[in-house]
Amino acid sequence: DAKTTQPPSMDCAEGRAANLPCNHSTISGNEYVYWYRQIHSQGPQYIIHGLKNNETNEMASLIITEDRKSSTLILPHATLRDTAVYYCIVRVPYNNNDMRFGAGTRLTVKP
Amino acid sequence: DVKVTQSSRYLVKRTGEKVFLECVQDMDHENMFWYRQDPGLGLRLIYFSYDVKMKEKGDIPEGYSVSREKKERFSLILESASTNQTSMYLCASRGGKGSDTQYFGPGTRLTVL
Repeated sequence: DAKTTQPPSMDCAEGRAANLPCNHSTISGNEYVYWYRQIHSQGPQYIIHGLKNNETNEMASLIITEDRKSSTLILPHATLRDTAVYYCIVRVPYNNNDMRFGAGTRLTVKP
Repeated sequence: DVKVTQSSRYLVKRTGEKVFLECVQDMDHENMFWYRQDPGLGLRLIYFSYDVKMKEKGDIPEGYSVSREKKERFSLILESASTNQTSMYLCASRGGKGSDTQYFGPGTRLTVL
């Protein structure tokens, strides 16, 4: 019963923008979209989250479609250190609830 | 900075042994989680706890138990380790005023022989 769908893998050239898509067609009105990434042999790391407006921080930008059924994580200038598995998660924040990770997208940044 | 620490980075145990994996967080977080990660299967939630002495089953609780006697510590227990419990185990914590970010520990790679 996956809430999100992501492509299993993507490649990106170093220095170019990496655009990682996520489908969440059954998202409910009070669920946010979260993105985490996991670099090899490390625990996952928080990147960004949003409800319906586009969000930007020092790591990435998050673009959520108007109907909220999909979103895109953008790494504006990918580096080799951005090679990781990227997870898209939808959940209601600040609840005593779990956070479930799907298979994610394995992004490989190539020189 | 939030710090989540796990008692061991690598652990080797024998089938049938009782195994304790310890996780400690230093940010007074209410919520704590145990996941296991296997190639091709992603992160799967084993148990979580949203308060001291509280626990909830995740997706794959069979063969595991947990203990949360103090807010900062969440232990995962394998009562009788089996070879199919060989995996990477990741602990996480979340919560605190105005913060909903989940922080992960470095992981424990457990091998059961």
